[in-house]
Amino acid sequence: QVQLVESGGGVVQPGRSLRLSCAASEFTFSGYGMHWVRQAPGKGLEWVAVIWHDGRNKYYADSVKGRFTISRDNSKDTLYLQMNSLRAEDTAVYYCARDPGADGGMDVWGQGTTVTVSS
Amino acid sequence: QAVLTQPSSLSASPGASASLTCTLRSGFDVGSYWIYWYQQKPGSPPQYLLRYKSDSDKQQGSGVPSRFSGSTDVSANAGILLISGLQSEDEADYYCMTWHRTSVVFGGGTKLTVL
Repeated sequence: QVQLVESGGGVVQPGRSLRLSCAASEFTFSGYGMHWVRQAPGKGLEWVAVIWHDGRNKYYADSVKGRFTISRDNSKDTLYLQMNSLRAEDTAVYYCARDPGADGGMDVWGQGTTVTVSS
Repeated sequence: QAVLTQPSSLSASPGASASLTCTLRSGFDVGSYWIYWYQQKPGSPPQYLLRYKSDSDKQQGSGVPSRFSGSTDVSANAGILLISGLQSEDEADYYCMTWHRTSVVFGGGTKLTVL
């Protein structure tokens, strides 16, 4: 069935970098926009970034702009999130989510990967 | 002031209906925005329920029961998720979402308790 599987989370010191991946399966990955959404412990959902289906357009939340980079490799059906200059407040579960476009919303979500920023 | 505001909690009885509101900040006309609704149970990722803009512009998520429906309250400038025939399994956090220009915005979420 349609599936998104995140990986790459872990414990990292403040100021360091981490790259998350999201592997897609059982759908035409190149036909969908993709989002990263995070959720800090005990908190609500926070949108992080979006990338268009063809990778041409990328948009970021103000809280990560200039530090995080979203990208995708449609030949590998994989979405990425490069996170630099990490801060304690970036600690969260990071979800990738599929967006069919045309006002479709985030219709499929991965299980999430946990990022902990701590010294 | 947040773009989307949700009450932090709501309680309702099994079999009753629950109306979850998502109020848009002044200057954001609810009639101009798609409002998306997600359900999240503890330890699980969010699940898409539906999107609603008007009675002629709405979409139910795949496999989502029809007792979940969307609407708007224009006078309150709010999107509404109505859950009828409440079941214990509906106990969860519910988030509304919308797009504003090139950004996505989530409401703070409502914790629905069914008791």
